[in-house]
Amino acid sequence: QKEVEQNSGPLSVPEGAIASLNCTYSDRVSQSFFWYRQYSGKSPELIMSIYSNGDKEDGRFTAQLNKASQYVSLLIRDSQPSDSATYLCAVKPANQGGKLIFGQGTELSVKP
Amino acid sequence: NAGVTQTPKFQVLKTGQSMTLQCAQDMNHNSMYWYRQDPGMGLRLIYYSASEGTTDKGEVPNGYNVSRLNKREFSLRLESAAPSQTSVYFCASSERSYTDTQYFGPGTRLTVL
Repeated sequence: QKEVEQNSGPLSVPEGAIASLNCTYSDRVSQSFFWYRQYSGKSPELIMSIYSNGDKEDGRFTAQLNKASQYVSLLIRDSQPSDSATYLCAVKPANQGGKLIFGQGTELSVKP
Repeated sequence: NAGVTQTPKFQVLKTGQSMTLQCAQDMNHNSMYWYRQDPGMGLRLIYYSASEGTTDKGEVPNGYNVSRLNKREFSLRLESAAPSQTSVYFCASSERSYTDTQYFGPGTRLTVL
């Protein structure tokens, strides 16, 4: 089992819809969780971080964390064509210094 | 501020050649990282430096060496390039190694023939 798993997609949603991206992780004691967005040919940029169980909202983005079930998700409301990108889930395991473990990424396509 | 810069942007090597990828950050960050990104594999950590003067191996360190030259600069060296090292390489930095956001450079696209 990979340490961090995501559906590679592509996930296609119509403009204005909610896009739901999911990520599961294997290390039960992981403490920090991140969602990065990566446009084609560009570098990853952080869009959300979450450390506690529950929801965290930032504009159109909501991150959800469930440590008991070992999953973290990202919801994008009112999806726009400019949201079309690959979304990378990253997990920082406990007691491993500054390491981030990344999933393989989910490609999102928002159709006008 | 330029953030994280990387040179070169593109490089083609022949098998067995050596090269150094350069990375610099101007955010006064303590921690720096080197990743490689391959199709379908996500980002994998090669080496990281939690602070000036320290370096540690990541997931895929074989075939690479690093130098934390000073607080700003962190270089990645391929001593004898192999086709399996064809990849996109990203450097990143963060203020501290725990919980802080990592900021990525623009990447170096390396092809080894």
